[in-house]
Amino acid sequence: DADVTQTPRNRITKTGKRIMLECSQTKGHDRMYWYRQDPGLGLRLIYYSFDVKDINKGEISDGYSVSRQAQAKFSLSLESAIPNQTALYFCATSDSQAGGTDTQYFGPGTRLTVL
Amino acid sequence: AQSVTQLGSHVSVSEGALVLLRCNYSSSVPPYLFWYVQYPNQGLQLLLKYTSAATLVKGINGFEAEFKKSETSFHLTKPSAHMSDAAEYFCAVSLGSSASKIIFGSGTRLSIRP
Repeated sequence: DADVTQTPRNRITKTGKRIMLECSQTKGHDRMYWYRQDPGLGLRLIYYSFDVKDINKGEISDGYSVSRQAQAKFSLSLESAIPNQTALYFCATSDSQAGGTDTQYFGPGTRLTVL
Repeated sequence: AQSVTQLGSHVSVSEGALVLLRCNYSSSVPPYLFWYVQYPNQGLQLLLKYTSAATLVKGINGFEAEFKKSETSFHLTKPSAHMSDAAEYFCAVSLGSSASKIIFGSGTRLSIRP
């Protein structure tokens, strides 16, 4: 079984709808991240969480919110989706105790299309 | 603040040829450096990482990268390309677990010609 899972894997929605993307991990890592990937732009950080009570904005947090329900779960919400939020979304985890390099491990991604 | 630049959004090589993907970084302190690979319709997978233990780092699938402080570079190489190497490759820089995040480059798509 995959260590980092994301649901759904694909989603098509309409402008103005509320959408939640979910991420779960079995790696036991304390840190979790949400990124979006757009062609030619690489990955950009939306939000990150160092533990259940520590949530921080990334470089492109506007229009998004997150919830860290447990150490293993980190969800991303789009309160009112807009077309320019069409992208590939990745969840990642890392272990702050693993030697200090903060290596991140990624889920398979969620392809979101906002019409 | 740290940053990373990948030169060339698309690289095409023949099967069996040398693969060279370029990455330059900017960091005010000694960084940690990573190469990730993304195969079609998949998430990112760690290829290799530099953590200051050795300047030449060997990764999976025959890839390696050399940290050159004087050139602020961390180029990825493989002596002989295989068709299965076709993917997108991302260079990334981090200041370590005490910092907040990893910064990714914009990616280089590697195509392999038969």
